[in-house]
Amino acid sequence: SNALTQPLSVSVALGQTANITCRRHNSESKNVHWYQQKPGQAPVLVIYRATNRPSRIPERFSGSYSGDTATLTISRAQAGDEADYSCQIWDSNTGVFGAGTQVTVL
Amino acid sequence: QAQLMQSGAEVKKPGASVRVSCEASGYRFTGFYINWVRQAPGQGLEWMGWTNPDSGDTNYAQKFQGRVTMTRDTSITTAYMEISRLKSDDTAVYYCARGLHYCATASCFNEGGPYYQYMDVWGKGTTVTVA
Repeated sequence: SNALTQPLSVSVALGQTANITCRRHNSESKNVHWYQQKPGQAPVLVIYRATNRPSRIPERFSGSYSGDTATLTISRAQAGDEADYSCQIWDSNTGVFGAGTQVTVL
Repeated sequence: QAQLMQSGAEVKKPGASVRVSCEASGYRFTGFYINWVRQAPGQGLEWMGWTNPDSGDTNYAQKFQGRVTMTRDTSITTAYMEISRLKSDDTAVYYCARGLHYCATASCFNEGGPYYQYMDVWGKGTTVTVA
């Protein structure tokens, strides 16, 4: 199965750390990519190949993986980090997105 | 600076077809794939397919095979996505996104594909309403 499982929502206090997981059933997760999407805007790539951050993305965003689970970590969360975060993989030459995790900064 | 400029919003009747365009600028058009991703109201992202602007090769999600066609015109660095036999649940925002491809398996390195991709540049989206 190429299904991806993400939590529906994650809440984080201002200035604290949020962890968003993406589980890929029965497969390794080192080729997971992460996108941030704010309401009414196009997605933005924030992490690629599980651990790599595009140059324009703040260092507060980091990625890791272990076994079948990839994790996106937002450190020192800011109000502007409130968004939907989706993971994505490539499987059999096709793209697959997770359902997305809504991050709320309290 | 790489950019993707999409065509404007469309309103179509059920059964009609729609074509969305995606004009690339600021990078070598034939060096990167173009993916199409849609998002229905209140829903997540749904991958539809890709086109390789260099070769014209395409690959579509099984759900859309037979109903979607992805093409490109390299002379004007523009990719197109056409979907036919529209239904009300095709109402969505349609995005084009540049795909940066890489090898992640030994067979890919040996045989030159198939590649993995991540989407590093996105268009602003085109709203298609079917009603």
